[in-house]
Amino acid sequence: RKEVEQDPGPFNVPEGATVAFNCTYSNSASQSFFWYRQDCRKEPKLLMSVYSSGNEDGRFTAQLNRASQYISLLIRDSKLSDSATYLCVVIQNTGNQFYFGTGTSLTVIP
Amino acid sequence: DAGVIQSPRHEVTEMGQEVTLRCKPISGHNSLFWYRQTMMRGLELLIYFNNNVPIDDSGMPEDRFSAKMPNASFSTLKIQPSEPRDSAVYFCASSLANYFPDTQYFGPGTRLTVL
Repeated sequence: RKEVEQDPGPFNVPEGATVAFNCTYSNSASQSFFWYRQDCRKEPKLLMSVYSSGNEDGRFTAQLNRASQYISLLIRDSKLSDSATYLCVVIQNTGNQFYFGTGTSLTVIP
Repeated sequence: DAGVIQSPRHEVTEMGQEVTLRCKPISGHNSLFWYRQTMMRGLELLIYFNNNVPIDDSGMPEDRFSAKMPNASFSTLKIQPSEPRDSAVYFCASSLANYFPDTQYFGPGTRLTVL
């Protein structure tokens, strides 16, 4: 079983739509979580951290559900510029292990 | 701030040749990471260094791959001999964390094609 799993998509949504992605993790000892964004043929860049209490940054909301072992990313009022691949990262204190998901592809359509 | 610098940006080589990828982390960052990204396998961690010391190289595919960090401002990833299946984008990333992986800043990547 993979440490981190994401639905690869693609998610094709119209401008203005709300879209959400989940990222599940297998190890309950996981402690820190992040969302990265990767544009086509570019490097991943940090989008936001995921705190236990949730985290909101403008149109983006990240949440953690420890009971079900997943994190989520919600994008409201989608823009064309949101089209990218979104990668989750899960960090485990034990053994200093961290894992990237394979990413979820989002295309926002005019 | 220049960010993480990688060279070359593109490399095309023939099977059996030696390939050396270079990385300059952000000044002051203590951790450096090498990743490989392919469509099939996504982003894979190959090795990471903390204060120039290799901490975890369990992701290095095989003995053909080696990485060094002779000082805080430079690292290399070498593939010898290269094979077509090594074709991928290789990213270097750095972070401030002394011990625990934290927010990572990625370089632009080296796109490697092995013919």
